[in-house]
Amino acid sequence: AQSVTQLDSHVSVSEGTPVLLRCNYSSSYSPSLFWYVQHPNKGLQLLLKYTSAATLVKGINGFEAEFKKSETSFHLTKPSAHMSDAAEYFCVVSEVNAGKSTFGDGTTLTVKP
Amino acid sequence: NAGVMQNPRHLVRRRGQEARLRCSPMKGHSHVYWYRQLPEEGLKFMVYLQKENIIDESGMPKERFSAEFPKEGPSILRIQQVVRGDSAAYFCASSPTSGSPDTQYFGPGTRLTVL
Repeated sequence: AQSVTQLDSHVSVSEGTPVLLRCNYSSSYSPSLFWYVQHPNKGLQLLLKYTSAATLVKGINGFEAEFKKSETSFHLTKPSAHMSDAAEYFCVVSEVNAGKSTFGDGTTLTVKP
Repeated sequence: NAGVMQNPRHLVRRRGQEARLRCSPMKGHSHVYWYRQLPEEGLKFMVYLQKENIIDESGMPKERFSAEFPKEGPSILRIQQVVRGDSAAYFCASSPTSGSPDTQYFGPGTRLTVL
């Protein structure tokens, strides 16, 4: 069985400051992990994914995430927030070749000017 | 290469009517997944299909909901006798035939409103 916990339902940062969105997962097998972003009334866009290669994964728009097996974490970071980063972020786990993905409940990121 | 396409984008139904949601996967993708997103919640898996086969329907409600992915044409999620609780955004995703089957690409969603 697989599950995902996003530790913060809301995160608020000032423009230009770092972003940290936290995610813990559990999986019976070697998981693939993803971060997606959803802007209001839009679909989901893949930010980055981890599939057992490098533990530090770089994504689009300056985001990156680090896979830490010992902590079962896959936190999303960005050095400097931009106003356009304000959105809902979902951490997702998928057991390789299992098909279905399990989504966290999401973290709403607010960026203040 | 067009992305995953879903239509309609918005659908309004009255209680008791049927809702049909369509999903065309990306070119070359033969795996389709449906998810439901209730207001203020994350996405919940419903069903995973390959061409002409249902692989995993563990997230589908036992009644009124069905899905298909025929040999030709889009995947269809069908909801019979809709109720207010069915109001949600329904997202379709697809993944490649080979290579990295667990990377899913999402469509823009269909927002169903039941009056």
